[in-house]
Parts: sequence; C-alpha cells; structure tokens
Amino acid sequence: GQSLEQPSEVTAVEGAIVQINCTYQTSGFYGLSWYQQHDGGAPTFLSYNALDGLEETGRFSSFLSRSDSYGYLLLQELQMKDSASYFCAVTRAAGNKLTFGGGTRVLVKP
Amino acid sequence: EAGVVQSPRYKIIEKKQPVAFWCNPISGHNTLYWYRQNLGQGPELLIRYENEEAVDDSQLPKDRFSAERLKGVDSTLKIQPAELGDSAVYLCASSVGLAEQDEQFFGPGTRLTVL
Repeated sequence: GQSLEQPSEVTAVEGAIVQINCTYQTSGFYGLSWYQQHDGGAPTFLSYNALDGLEETGRFSSFLSRSDSYGYLLLQELQMKDSASYFCAVTRAAGNKLTFGGGTRVLVKP
Repeated sequence: EAGVVQSPRYKIIEKKQPVAFWCNPISGHNTLYWYRQNLGQGPELLIRYENEEAVDDSQLPKDRFSAERLKGVDSTLKIQPAELGDSAVYLCASSVGLAEQDEQFFGPGTRLTVL
C-alpha cells in the first residue's frame, strides 16, 4: 500500500516561517510535489522534487530526502494570502500518477 | 492562455439521478485526469487519459461511473445512478504529457451535492 502523512493544521502570524512536513510510504517513488489550494479553488502547483535537496522558488522552498521518505515545504515571510491548504503528493510509477496526502490547512493571522 | 474549464461549477441532484460533468483541458495538453476530492481530503485520481485512450481507470467505480474523451480533447465524466456518498468536488486536470515532472493544471471543479 501507500500512505502520506502531513499535519492537519498549522497557525502562524504574518511574517513568520512555517514548515509543513510530509512523510510517505510507497513503492515506485519518482518524486514529491506540493500543491496549494484556497477554499473553493483549484489546486495549483508549487514545486516538484525528484532528487534529494532543497528547491527554492521565491518565498517557498521544498526539500526531499529519498532515503528518509520525507519532504517538507517551507513558507517564508508569511502573508495573509498564504492562508490555504497545502498538499504533498507522490508521483509513483511511470505516467505522472499523483497520490495526494490529506492536506495541511495553514491559517495566517495578522 | 485559458486554463482548464469545467462545467457546471455546482450541481445538486437527488440520489438515483444521473449527472454529467464536462471538462475542456488546456490546448495542446495530451493528458487529462479526473479526480474526486472529498471535504477535508486530498484529491483522489479516478481516471487518466492519454489522448483518447484511458491509460489508468483502476480507481473508477465502473458500476456507476463512466468517462469518455472523444477526439482526445474534451472529456465527460458521468455518474448513473448517483448515491449520497458521491457528494464531493470533481476536479479535472491536464498536463502536456505523462512525464513525471509534467505539471498538472487543475480546473476549478464541479461541486456535486446528492440529496
């Protein structure tokens, strides 16, 4: 089987840093993606890690450790608009097939 | 460039009724996906298309769900008959191809309520 675990909710203030951890158990792992979804909106792609290490894209960074089956999404300089749900998703086997975690709801307070 | 278009955005039906959802992917995207998202959960893949061919429908409940992608562009997902447990958001996504790093672009979804 396969499973992904991520915290259900995180609360932080504007300007703070939040790290969302994701641990996974799966066969045929290809990579780890992160998606953002605002309430009532479509999931939007944030990042994809296929190799170990840190990928930085503006205020957001994503990390992967394949040996630990672990990754995280780092949100820096939090803004109110970052309040949303964040999903990690593994790509397993060939063919861009995504399996999503349950999501982490991030609430940014003034 | 237009994104993935879905219609309707909302649908309320009574159980045992049929319902259909329509998706128009981003132009040039060969791969199309249908997902179901229950409240407070992540999207779950129902079916993937490469052009007009369903390459993975292992998670589609085939007793009541069907899908088609005629001419390899637009797609329709149908439920007949609907059950209470089918209430969810149905998301369509598309990508250029099936490569693992190909970004999937999601539509806004159809929120289905079965009464």
